[in-house]
Amino acid sequence: NAGVTQTPKFQVLKTGQSMTLQCAQDMNHNSMYWYRQDPGMGLRLIYYSASEGTTDKGEVPNGYNVSRLNKREFSLRLESAAPSQTSVYFCAIGGLPQETQYFGPGTRLLVL
Amino acid sequence: SQKIEQNSEALNIQEGKTATLTCNYTNYSPAYLQWYRQDPGRGPVFLLLIRENEKEKRKERLKVTFDTTLKQSLFHITASQPADSATYLCALADSNYQLIWGAGTKLIIKP
Repeated sequence: NAGVTQTPKFQVLKTGQSMTLQCAQDMNHNSMYWYRQDPGMGLRLIYYSASEGTTDKGEVPNGYNVSRLNKREFSLRLESAAPSQTSVYFCAIGGLPQETQYFGPGTRLLVL
Repeated sequence: SQKIEQNSEALNIQEGKTATLTCNYTNYSPAYLQWYRQDPGRGPVFLLLIRENEKEKRKERLKVTFDTTLKQSLFHITASQPADSATYLCALADSNYQLIWGAGTKLIIKP
C-alpha cells in the first residue's frame, strides 16, 4: 500500500520545454489535487478533480493542464515551462474537500 | 480576500516544554480547520481536524483550540521532543470547500 506516488522526484527543464508530472493513488479516494509550494508561501491549489472525469481550476491554474485518467491517476502537464514554474509540486488525495488530505512525496522542478 | 497567517519566524523550544503555534485568519468563517506536519523534503502529513463547533481537540501530546470569535487556532505540543521538530501548517476550507493554507511555522526542539 504505497498511498500516493509521484513521478519524477526531481526534474530540470529549460524554458519552453514541456513535461508531465504523474500522480497515482491506491487508497480509492475520489478527490485528487495538484498543489505547488514556494518558499514563504502556503500551498497553492493548481487544479483538482472531485471525481473521475471531472477537473476544475484552483487558485493558480495558468500555464498548467491536467488529466484525470481514471480513479487512480491524475497528471499535471506544463506545455511550455517558465522559470516562474520552478517549485515543488505535490499531489494530494481526499474523500471530501473538508476531510483529511494525503500527500505524495513531491516533485521538485527547476526551470532554467 | 481570505488570508491565513502563521508565525514566519522559527520557534525554538527546550525539550520537555510545551510548544504553542498560532494560526490566524481573516475574512472568512471556516467550517473546519486542519493542522499538518511537514518534514524537509516530504509532503505534509495530517495531524488534527477541528470543526467550528468544537473548542478543543486532543490527540496524545497534541492539542488544538479553535476560537471563531478571535479567528484563531492554537496548536500545542506538550512534553516536546527533538523528534517533534518540523514545519507545522494550518489550513482551512473556504466557501468552495477548497483548502487555504498558511505558510507554516518551523518548530525546533532543542535537547
